[in-house]
Amino acid sequence: DVKVTQSSRYLVKRTGEKVFLECVQDMDHENMFWYRQDPGLGLRLIYFSYDVKMKEKGDIPEGYSVSREKKERFSLILESASTNQTSMYLCASGVGIGRYSNQPQHFGDGTRLSIL
Amino acid sequence: DQQVKQNSPSLSVQEGRISILNCDYTNSMFDYFLWYKKYPAEGPTFLISISSIKDKNEDGRFTVFLNKSAKHLSLHIVPSQPGDSAVYFCAASAGSGGSNYKLTFGKGTLLTVNP
Repeated sequence: DVKVTQSSRYLVKRTGEKVFLECVQDMDHENMFWYRQDPGLGLRLIYFSYDVKMKEKGDIPEGYSVSREKKERFSLILESASTNQTSMYLCASGVGIGRYSNQPQHFGDGTRLSIL
Repeated sequence: DQQVKQNSPSLSVQEGRISILNCDYTNSMFDYFLWYKKYPAEGPTFLISISSIKDKNEDGRFTVFLNKSAKHLSLHIVPSQPGDSAVYFCAASAGSGGSNYKLTFGKGTLLTVNP
């Protein structure tokens, strides 16, 4: 069974802090993704990575960066947290682009982040 | 510009009846479509998918229909059960990566199945 683990379920930080959200997957997937979910807006892609040390911007990358030093781990970084980054953050993983597959992306349970 | 639209924020259905959730898309490059179900405080879980070369895919109580000319897909749940109560997201991807490339999600539809 695929497991995507996000390090924290709930996190409270202050405006201006640097925040790290960690995600680990155990299925040797090439692709990893960070989304945020907000009421009435659905899931929006922040960043994704299709290989170690590779990253691509999603639809809403402003204010975020990512790090992928190892295949199984993908970190989302809020460089200077702001209140409009209060949200549910969801990490996902999936098999690589080069291998077409009908295997879906698998999601972690999310991190509810509050910026005060 | 919203490329995947779920125009019904909520849907209420009686147990045992059919639930029909709808999704429209605007990007003609989308070639793979998925439905995810999400309970509160949990991550989305995959439900069913369909490739653009098909017009129907069935898995147990769940069937997805794709109408490419109308850029419309729908999820049918028959019979509906109270445990199906959740938010349902429609998602789409473009390119040869299939379902594992970047997904574009709709805003979701909250389905409530009443006993």
